[in-house]
Formats: sequence, structure tokens, C-alpha cells
Amino acid sequence: GIQVEQSPPDLILQEGANSTLRCNFSDSVNNLQWFHQNPWGQLINLFYIPSGTKQNGRLSATTVATERYSLLYISSSQTTDSGVYFCAVRNTGGFKTIFGAGTRLFVKA
Amino acid sequence: DTAVSQTPKYLVTQMGNDKSIKCEQNLGHDTMYWYKQDSKKFLKIMFSYNNKELIINETVPNRFSPKSPDKAHLNLHINSLELGDSAVYFCASSVQGNTEAFFGQGTRLTVV
Repeated sequence: GIQVEQSPPDLILQEGANSTLRCNFSDSVNNLQWFHQNPWGQLINLFYIPSGTKQNGRLSATTVATERYSLLYISSSQTTDSGVYFCAVRNTGGFKTIFGAGTRLFVKA
Repeated sequence: DTAVSQTPKYLVTQMGNDKSIKCEQNLGHDTMYWYKQDSKKFLKIMFSYNNKELIINETVPNRFSPKSPDKAHLNLHINSLELGDSAVYFCASSVQGNTEAFFGQGTRLTVV
């Protein structure tokens, strides 16, 4: 099955800093999402980005499907950005979303 | 309006009991899922239903039985609960194919 690897596993930032999270996947996918799991456990949809680049405020994401990776950029980080960021891909049949192990982010005030 | 809603949010029960978690989506999606998140935050798919038909069963013990009465609902019944069943269970939904999946708020199950 598809393997999804995220890096780094853990990240500590000072408020205001920028960061890049990476997601590598082992096979062709036609569906990729980034989620933020906040400290209360909610899974929040950040981006649906099977290819290309999208931006939403301080966050942006780029997926290069041909090279099997996606990047999530966080600029001017805030303490509320803390939590776990997950990359998830779906196989060609469209019935199974596979999650990476996540990047745990802590933003210090 | 909550898109994907699960009840209950918290569930504490004793070993050996039977419990159910309910999930409803109002997004008009045709595919629903159950995921289990373990203590290390790893999310793994358990089941997937498309138009009320079971599509994926990821070698989950048969003590877990999903039921989809209609496309908007996917419930999870667990028999003879064990300590190792303690986890957060997430329901999700999407449209079949290359579309975005949306998750419920999760049900934290604690077996004591």
C-alpha cells in the first residue's frame, strides 16, 4: 500500500517564525489533504491539494505529484498554530485515505 | 450546522460492555469512514462505506460492526470491549473519487 512519510516529526518554533513541513508519498495519488489537529483533538481541513499551489492567509501548500511530495508553509507562526499537522493521501479507487504520522508543532510565545 | 457529527463525544465504560458510536453527515456525501487514532496520534482507517455498502474492512476484529442505515449515517457498534480499544474514533465522509474528506469531532473511548 501507499506509504506516507512526514517530516520533521517534531518542531518547536518561536512565535513569528516561519516553517516548512514536508510530506512524501510512495506511489501515485490523486488526492492529498493537509489537516491540523488542534490541542482539543479536532481535525481541521487546511488544504485539499492533489497538485499545484494554494494559499490561505498565513498558510500555503504546494504539491508536486510527479515527484510525490507536498509542502505546507506556515508563516509568522502563532501560538494557536500549535498541534499536529497531518498529510493524508487517497488511493486511486478513492475509498481509502492514508495518513502520515504527523508533525507535532509547538509555537512558543 | 455541523457537517459531520458524532455522538457521544466521550465514552467511559467497563471491559466486556457493548457500546455504540453514532455518526451523521449532512454534506450529501456518498462515502463514509471510521478511523481509529491511537495514543501516539496515528490515524488508521477501519471501515469505509459507499452508498451503504461496505467497501473497506481493514482487518478490524469482528467485535467491531459498522452499520449504515442510509447514506447519511454510519454507526459503529463494539462488542465485548477490551482495554486496547481505548482510543479516539473519528467518523468522516466524502464523495467517491478525488474529493475532500471531512471529519467529525471524534469520540474518545476509554475502557476501564
